Amino acid sequence: DAGITQSPRYKITETGRQVTLMCHQTWSHSYMFWYRQDLGHGLRLIYYSAAADITDKGEVPDGYVVSRSKTENFPLTLESATRSQTSVYFCASRGQHGYTFGSGTRLTVV
Amino acid sequence: TQLLEQSPQFLSIQEGENLTVYCNSSSVFSSLQWYRQEPGEGPVLLVTVVTGGEVKKLKRLTFQFGDARKDSSLHITAAQPGDTGLYLCAGASGTYKYIFGTGTRLKVLA
Repeated sequence: DAGITQSPRYKITETGRQVTLMCHQTWSHSYMFWYRQDLGHGLRLIYYSAAADITDKGEVPDGYVVSRSKTENFPLTLESATRSQTSVYFCASRGQHGYTFGSGTRLTVV
Repeated sequence: TQLLEQSPQFLSIQEGENLTVYCNSSSVFSSLQWYRQEPGEGPVLLVTVVTGGEVKKLKRLTFQFGDARKDSSLHITAAQPGDTGLYLCAGASGTYKYIFGTGTRLKVLA
């Protein structure tokens, strides 16, 4: 299916574990983004990528790692999950008219 | 740091009423977008405004970009329950990155 898909939709993990959130887009958009959404903070940019093998930090990058070996995939890894990383994570790609978002991953760190 | 403040944060109205949501900043933006987000989904782009003073209409929704390109408003006429959701404004930060406001959560009661 065309679009942007995120997996998993829901994830519960323990403090200290590594977890990877997946993002896949079918349009070959150059720009991709990871945001986290928390009550009172809105959407905050974690990392973004302008093309394969080009990534850069956003507002809140600490504790996260990204990679982009292929244009269509942009995984986000939490190296050692903390409770403060409990959030809803959205991946987006930028097309001609604006962002298209995935449906999000709700991550709970216990 | 560019910030976008939205007001009100929460709004609960009866079906058929009119409402206005505001998005304000001390920064100038080259363009501004409005998104609507429904529970469990990612934000969906409604409109992009690029010219100071620009007004765009999307059925019962009217979007205005301030003359100085620092603020925007969203007016809904005769609100319907289907308008319920989180409304987010986003200002262009550079050529490909957007900064999001904290959102206005709208509930329209039947």
